[in-house]
Amino acid sequence: AQKVTQTQTSISVVEKTTVTMDCVYETRDSSYFLFWYKQTASGEIVFLIRQDSYKKENATVGHYSLNFQKPKSSIGLIITATQIEDSAVYFCAMREGESNYNVLYFGSGTKLTVEP
Amino acid sequence: DPKIIQKPKYLVAVTGSEKILICEQYLGHNAMYWYRQSAKKPLEFMFSYSYQKLMDNQTASSRFQPQSSKKNHLDLQITALKPDDSATYFCASSQERGGPYEQYFGPGTRLTVL
Repeated sequence: AQKVTQTQTSISVVEKTTVTMDCVYETRDSSYFLFWYKQTASGEIVFLIRQDSYKKENATVGHYSLNFQKPKSSIGLIITATQIEDSAVYFCAMREGESNYNVLYFGSGTKLTVEP
Repeated sequence: DPKIIQKPKYLVAVTGSEKILICEQYLGHNAMYWYRQSAKKPLEFMFSYSYQKLMDNQTASSRFQPQSSKKNHLDLQITALKPDDSATYFCASSQERGGPYEQYFGPGTRLTVL
């Protein structure tokens, strides 16, 4: 069974608007860590933001923020004031805190296109 | 300066041959990893090393062998190459294994097996 699921294959937005990308995960561990990465057109994979399962506050870094809904096993990525250069494929990832805690499980990615 | 170096950037091999993918990290991290990304699957965890010791292996095939000669090196030897091995292989590192430590990725080696 897939541990991390991203159902949105692609999203297109106009620059300067806000976009939300969905991600649901599956784990039996009580402690886990959730990450978002982006992969640019050149193939570079860049870490963006992290959410620890035991923290109630949603993480925020720059114009990236998270919508962590623990009861729904959901971790959405919100990008505000999007820019053309935000166009990339965005991956959600999870690492469990107890079992297989060294393994980072990735979703299949959401391709974001930001248009002028 | 790049913090994680992978060599070569592109690699073409014939079926049945053997290749070594090189990875060096200059982040001072203690844990290193290999991932594979192919058109058919999302980023897939392969191996993790911590202080030069193999910690996790989620690669079914013994044709894939990681090698760590130094703390900041983790190479990947692939033997008896098959066309299905064609993918981009990413090396990553983190401060420590497990926990909240995010992993940082290298630029990848794109392997094509003919």
